[in-house]
Amino acid sequence: DGGITQSPKYLFRKEGQNVTLSCEQNLNHDAMYWYRQDPGQGLRLIYYSQIVNDFQKGDIAEGYSVSREKKESFPLTVTSAQKNPTAFYLCASRPGGGSRTEAFFGQGTRLTVV
Amino acid sequence: AQSVTQLGSHVSVSEGALVLLRCNYSSSVPPYLFWYVQYPNQGLQLLLKYTSAATLVKGINGFEAEFKKSETSFHLTKPSAHMSDAAEYLCAVSGESGGFKTIFGAGTRLFVKA
Repeated sequence: DGGITQSPKYLFRKEGQNVTLSCEQNLNHDAMYWYRQDPGQGLRLIYYSQIVNDFQKGDIAEGYSVSREKKESFPLTVTSAQKNPTAFYLCASRPGGGSRTEAFFGQGTRLTVV
Repeated sequence: AQSVTQLGSHVSVSEGALVLLRCNYSSSVPPYLFWYVQYPNQGLQLLLKYTSAATLVKGINGFEAEFKKSETSFHLTKPSAHMSDAAEYLCAVSGESGGFKTIFGAGTRLFVKA
């Protein structure tokens, strides 16, 4: 079955550590996204990528980094510079066709700083 | 710029009652509008979308929404609530000016009472 796979589902990070969240899709979609979700704030865009080897900052990119070396993969690294990383992280992808197409989401990764 | 406002962070209805979740948007270009549903600790699933065809859009699970340009609204309704409808509902907007970006509202949590 086609879809988006995020791993791990739960992740615990110590203060000062970098952690990487995985996102893989087999939908052959061009665009991929990372969102952060906090209670009462909806989804906020961290980074997005429209093609391989290219990505753009979203609204809250500080303290995060990404790469897009393969069409199928868009990993997100939460660096120690991110002061409040505890949140639910969602990866999404969209096919070509511009803004009228809907996004498809993974099941999310819940990151907790301990 | 585009934005979405969802009125009411929490809505509570009785089982069998009408569900009405409100969404207003702002967009300088013709918008594409989406409603997603999210169950706890899961990703988002598309309920329905408006992409400039019929203004009354029918989705999954008996939900529908009506695009009203004059009111800049895209409210979500269901005639009769079921216990399984209890979830978070997010309205989103995209448009050609935003490219591949989708803007999400803060979400509305629907509670269904027996």
